[in-house]
Amino acid sequence: QVQLVQSGAEVTKPGASVKVSCKASAYTFTRYAMHWVRQAPGQRLEWMGWINVDNGDTKYSQKFHGRVTITRDTSASIAYMDLSSLISEDTAVYYCARGGPGQSCDFWGQGTLVTVSS
Amino acid sequence: QSALTQPPSASGSPGQSVTISCTGTSSDVGGYNYVSWYQQHPGKAPKLMIYEVSKRPSGVPDRFSGSKSGNTASLTVSGLQAEDEADYYCNSYAGSNNFVFGTGTKVTVL
Repeated sequence: QVQLVQSGAEVTKPGASVKVSCKASAYTFTRYAMHWVRQAPGQRLEWMGWINVDNGDTKYSQKFHGRVTITRDTSASIAYMDLSSLISEDTAVYYCARGGPGQSCDFWGQGTLVTVSS
Repeated sequence: QSALTQPPSASGSPGQSVTISCTGTSSDVGGYNYVSWYQQHPGKAPKLMIYEVSKRPSGVPDRFSGSKSGNTASLTVSGLQAEDEADYYCNSYAGSNNFVFGTGTKVTVL
């Protein structure tokens, strides 16, 4: 069955960067887009951006533009989300999610908690 | 891009129905038939319940249904069950390869 397995929790300092990985299995990686979504503690889901896994094209939410970079390694079926210039408000669970039918997200990773603290 | 507006909470007794609204603009909900709904239990990843306004993925009970009128989409859960108690989020395509989520609704089964 389709699985997205994300890297482990991270604790990092303000001003630093964090890179979260998302390893896909049980489907053809290049046939589906990959979204990144975050959720701060007790808050709503927030769309960050997505990547066309086949050609590498990306689109980012204006809120994160300039700080977020989404990439992929098609040989390893892994997508990455890099967020820079971290502030405490970036403390959140970060999810990868496969682009599904009708512009939905049909499979989700388990989430990666990123804590930004001095 | 502003978040889509959902009521903070909704509730119903077992067996009853509850409907959650999701209001956007003509640039997102009203402009495309790409509204999806997600169920999220505490501490868990979201789960896709509805896509393209009213389509159900395989395995989602037919108690869950979606619709749209103008700039407002709706999710209805009929025959409420205890396991339906969760947070629900709508999402819409917003043009130019952008997406936006709703503010979220906590559904309580009384």
